[in-house]
Amino acid sequence: EAQVTQNPRYLITVTGKKLTVTCSQNMNHEYMSWYRQDPGLGLRQIYYSMNVEVTDKGDVPEGYKVSRKEKRNFPLILESPSPNQTSLYFCASSLLGGAETQYFGPGTRLLVL
Amino acid sequence: AQTVTQSQPEMSVQEAETVTLSCTYDTSESDYYLFWYKQPPSRQMILVIRQEAYKQQNATENRFSVNFQKAAKSFSLKISDSQLGDAAMYFCAYRSAVDSNYQLIWGAGTKLIIKP
Repeated sequence: EAQVTQNPRYLITVTGKKLTVTCSQNMNHEYMSWYRQDPGLGLRQIYYSMNVEVTDKGDVPEGYKVSRKEKRNFPLILESPSPNQTSLYFCASSLLGGAETQYFGPGTRLLVL
Repeated sequence: AQTVTQSQPEMSVQEAETVTLSCTYDTSESDYYLFWYKQPPSRQMILVIRQEAYKQQNATENRFSVNFQKAAKSFSLKISDSQLGDAAMYFCAYRSAVDSNYQLIWGAGTKLIIKP
């Protein structure tokens, strides 16, 4: 089954404790992206990647890191989480091209205390 | 920069009736794509319908159709014969055909309530 998976689905952590949210897709997509969803704001892009070893900032990259060492994986790293990073996070992937549908993972609910 | 506005935070409709969700956007580009996504309580983002700006014909997917008014920069979603399973947050999104980052620009969403 074609899908985007994220882990963990739920995470409660404390300020300053490094964490990683994994994202994996099995559709051989070149493009992958991370979004955060906050009430009243819709989704905002954090980082994206056009292919292996090619990543770039989205609209809200502060406090986040990403890497793309393999085509299927695109982990999101919070080196020193803060309470303002409490949010719902989505990973998405697609083929390259503006017309291509982005497929979303199930989301990761993060609470930073 | 492009923006997407959904002016209805919440809408309700009686089961089996028709409801229209509004979306307007701002862009200086002539070529782009517009999307409606559904987010049920499971939080999964599901593509409902897609419209290419260069196509004048409005997209249709079963009970879902759009009214795309390019000059007015309006992209509304019509849901016919509403069903209980349609209850969800609905997001309108824009994507440039020329920007190389393929970023989706999102509205704030409309919560759709279906009354049985």
